[in-house]
Amino acid sequence: ELKVEQNPLFLSMQEGKNYTIYCNYSTTSDRLYWYRQDPGKSLESLFVLLSNGAVKQEGRLMASLDTKARLSTLHITAAVHDLSATYFCAVDINSGYALNFGKGTSLLVTP
Amino acid sequence: NAGVTQTPKFQVLKTGQSMTLQCAQDMNHNSMYWYRQDPGMGLRLIYYSASEGTTDKGEVPNGYNVSRLNKREFSLRLESAAPSQTSVYFCASSPGQVVNEQFFGPGTRLTVL
Repeated sequence: ELKVEQNPLFLSMQEGKNYTIYCNYSTTSDRLYWYRQDPGKSLESLFVLLSNGAVKQEGRLMASLDTKARLSTLHITAAVHDLSATYFCAVDINSGYALNFGKGTSLLVTP
Repeated sequence: NAGVTQTPKFQVLKTGQSMTLQCAQDMNHNSMYWYRQDPGMGLRLIYYSASEGTTDKGEVPNGYNVSRLNKREFSLRLESAAPSQTSVYFCASSPGQVVNEQFFGPGTRLTVL
């Protein structure tokens, strides 16, 4: 059974600080996705990582994938309040089947 | 393009009532999914349809049925609602090929009393 673990599950950070969210998974996969969810809203796709060593950046967020370590990271640089949301990673082990989601990291950025 | 649409947005049912949640996508995607989201549980797959004409159970299928009406539409039915089915339901679609990026609908917030 595939397990996808995110940590931390809750994160409160000050504006301007850097931090990393970790996503570990238990089965071989080279396809991993990051989503953002604002309170009361749907999930929005952030990054699609399709190979070992893949790195994607969008604004203050950077995601990477290490398939050998079965680890993806979401790095936040110089956080701003607008980044407050819940971030989910999701692993694909069988394309065409569903994604396996982590429980999400609830991020709060405070002044 | 509307993307993935869901109806209704909100619904309150009494225990034992039935209802159908509707989902449609206009992206010509092959695969469609139904998830439920509960606090602290992440998203859990209820049913999915890898392609038109096929459906399969996910992690939590009990108490639900689905119909892939055509390539665009995938409905979820609760035959006899229970309080444990109080949740937010999301429909999603994906190309269903090598890149399985999923696109989500706005969700249906269901309360069963």
